[in-house]
Amino acid sequence: DTGVSQNPRHKITKRGQNVTFRCDPISEHNRLYWYRQTLGQGPEFLTYFQNEAQLEKSRLLSDRFSAERPKGSFSTLEIQRTEQGDSAMYLCASSSGDYETQYFGPGTRLLVL
Amino acid sequence: SQQGEEDPQALSIQEGENATMNCSYKTSINNLQWYRQNSGRGLVHLILIRSNEREKHSGRLRVTLDTSKKSSSLLITASRAADTASYFCAGGLSYNTDKLIFGTGTRLQVFP
Repeated sequence: DTGVSQNPRHKITKRGQNVTFRCDPISEHNRLYWYRQTLGQGPEFLTYFQNEAQLEKSRLLSDRFSAERPKGSFSTLEIQRTEQGDSAMYLCASSSGDYETQYFGPGTRLLVL
Repeated sequence: SQQGEEDPQALSIQEGENATMNCSYKTSINNLQWYRQNSGRGLVHLILIRSNEREKHSGRLRVTLDTSKKSSSLLITASRAADTASYFCAGGLSYNTDKLIFGTGTRLQVFP
């Protein structure tokens, strides 16, 4: 049984470029979550899915951010026109349902130059 | 924004000593989860305690929850150098959402 996986693990990009991250949840987990963590802080919620339905989005998720989970399995998080303030660790988690343990992946560290 | 606060922000102890970290939160929760994070890495789930539970154990870990005071504590007994990490509490809110609200974390350093 594999845990949550995320790709890439590291991404360096120039301001204004688009980036896309992928998350593969634990198989058979119907809930998938995205969080963002900046240095010295705890993770902050961005969005979550139940199967392919996006159930909630944080106000942190500006128009430049979009997340999808087209077939209810893996998910992608895209950031358009990246800004230096987008530099952070992007964490994905999955769970088996409401109010259950959320298992996190290793994260994708983004650096916007 | 983060609603949880952890105390202390940093803790340094010797191997074999116990470490206690406290977490306070602001709104009603369904559950509270504790995570460990080694420098620059993902979060490792330690324990989940539900709002109707007062205490839970897992190996060397003991978690308490006081919903009347909106607070929780994590006790690590007989600490080891490998316990060196940041520890976060995260509240699972009780209204119509499944997101976690994380605290600011406690950085634990265990010296051999």
